[in-house]
Formats: sequence, structure tokens, C-alpha cells
Amino acid sequence: DQQVKQNSPSLSVQEGRISILNCDYTNSMFDYFLWYKKYPAEGPTFLISISSIKDKNEDGRFTVFLNKSAKHLSLHIVPSQPGDSAVYFCAALGGTASKLTFGTGTRLQVTL
Amino acid sequence: DAGVTQSPTHLIKTRGQQVTLRCSPKSGHDTVSWYQQALGQGPQFIFQYYEEEERQRGNFPDRFSGHQFPNYSSELNVNALLLGDSALYLCASSALAGSYGYTFGSGTRLTVV
Repeated sequence: DQQVKQNSPSLSVQEGRISILNCDYTNSMFDYFLWYKKYPAEGPTFLISISSIKDKNEDGRFTVFLNKSAKHLSLHIVPSQPGDSAVYFCAALGGTASKLTFGTGTRLQVTL
Repeated sequence: DAGVTQSPTHLIKTRGQQVTLRCSPKSGHDTVSWYQQALGQGPQFIFQYYEEEERQRGNFPDRFSGHQFPNYSSELNVNALLLGDSALYLCASSALAGSYGYTFGSGTRLTVV
């Protein structure tokens, strides 16, 4: 039972353009969402998060949008840079659990 | 300031053997969680340790066990290894009293042959 889904396994974007990564969830108990970036041979690195009481959170080039009614969130990266090429994981927390539930990841490639 | 340290980085074991993976949390963190990341998948929660006790457990068999020491470091033990246990094992530390500041280590790549 995949409670957090990232339906696009890969995405290719030109440098300078916007990258949009999507994530859907099914568990209504989730109330905090995080995006992690992962390079090969490294652990996931925290990027940005959003609480369910908000619909947008921005940090520099990264913005996360949350649509609770649709149980959907997205990560916008603008402008995209070659160093952004990595696998991006969406993760969720909720209820009394402090465990992260991850999606399967989206591999972003930013081309020159 | 060292982050989360995991050892070893790579390991090859034979089916049926036992393995122990180690994790030192980030300074100031007292909670350690372990995740298994199979190829092409997202990390899956195994269990979490706080105050030397297992606080939460994911959907993993009893072959997976752990321990947390007084200095907050942790071990993950897997008995009777199966080919399907081949994966990247990630350790994440956090401060229980804090917000959701999880810091991940680089992982241990376990290959079972």
C-alpha cells in the first residue's frame, strides 16, 4: 500500500527553466510534508517542508505547494541549475507517528 | 560538526549469515531511525530508537532487530539474510523534542549473495 506516490520516475528540464515535481498521498493523517534530495552514494538531504496548515512555503529557488483537498503537493525549482540533478523524494509525517513515509522518488536531470 | 556517520559503507554477505550495521547520530540528536532503500524504491521505515528502547516499528520481520546505546549510537542487526535484504540501509537521527529535523547518513550498501 503506497501511501505516498511520485508517479513520474524521471524528469528532464533545461537549465534556467522551471522544474515541477509532483507527489500524491492517500493517508489523511499526514500533516507534515518534506522534500529530500539524494545524490548517488549520499544520504537524502532535507530541502524544504510544509505543514498542512499552509498551502505554500518558499525558500530561495524552492517552493512547495500543498493542495489538501486533492492530497497533492508539488515542488517547484526555479530557475533550475545543473547541480539540481538528483533524485527527489517526497516524504510525509502524521498522527502520532514520527516515521517518514517516502515516495519512490523522481530523478531530475537538468540539461545545459 | 559531524553529521550522521554509518559504518561500514559497503558489505557483502552470504545468504543465511547475520550482519550488524552501525550508526552514530548527529551531535545533539537522541533519536535514531533506520530505513531500508531497495533499488528503485523510496526508503522504508524499519524502526526507531529513543532512550535505548524501540519506539516504533515498521512492517519488517523479527529478523531485523536493533539496539541503542547510552551515547545514542545505534546498531541494526539482520539475521538469516535473504537475497531480498540486499539494499541501502539508511540511518537518520533527530532530536525528539525538536521539530522534524531528520539528518540522514550516507548509508550502508548491503549485498547478499
